[in-house]
Amino acid sequence: SQTIHQWPATLVQPVGSPLSLECTVEGTSNPNLYWYRQAAGRGLQLLFYSVGIGQISSEVPQNLSASRPQDRQFILSSKKLLLSDSGFYLCAWSASGTAYRPQHFGDGTRLSIL
Amino acid sequence: DAKTTQPTSMDCAEGRAANLPCNHSTISGNEYVYWYRQIHSQGPQYIIHGLKNNETNEMASLIITEDRKSSTLILPHATLRDTAVYYCIVRVLDDMRFGAGTRLTVKP
Repeated sequence: SQTIHQWPATLVQPVGSPLSLECTVEGTSNPNLYWYRQAAGRGLQLLFYSVGIGQISSEVPQNLSASRPQDRQFILSSKKLLLSDSGFYLCAWSASGTAYRPQHFGDGTRLSIL
Repeated sequence: DAKTTQPTSMDCAEGRAANLPCNHSTISGNEYVYWYRQIHSQGPQYIIHGLKNNETNEMASLIITEDRKSSTLILPHATLRDTAVYYCIVRVLDDMRFGAGTRLTVKP
């Protein structure tokens, strides 16, 4: 069966520091991959999605970037974190081939910026 | 993507069926209805999805009205572990737009 892993589970970073969050998927090939952010008490905001290695689409202009160096690896990065980058970051995957396949989420990374 | 409306909160007795409604009156013909739930501090968990027909899996049943303007998620025998926020989402593209959802509390 397919599994998705995110780490770390929690992270506390100072303003201006860099960020790297990693997500990997097992048990499937060529998945669609997604990064979302969930602010406290609010819905999910799609940040990036990828349909293949090196292919990244950005949904919202921001202080963050994403990369997909391998088929089942998705990385969320920042060179300099802002206070507004705090939130719950979720990685998700879906099977490729059709937009109707459900997305499956990891357990997220709770990021606090001090 | 169509907007969905869900009650803010609901209670259910343990062992009874939980029926969670969702209105999506502006749904278009190619939009699917998805249900997820989120337990505090965890990622959303996929439950079920459907287009026109009613669907059932090991977790729940999804009943979609004939005009597709509303749906109901049914948890047949709710347990305390089903306490969570339940989200109804209507989409055709990749962006899963989660709203506020329904906070379901299963009580002993």
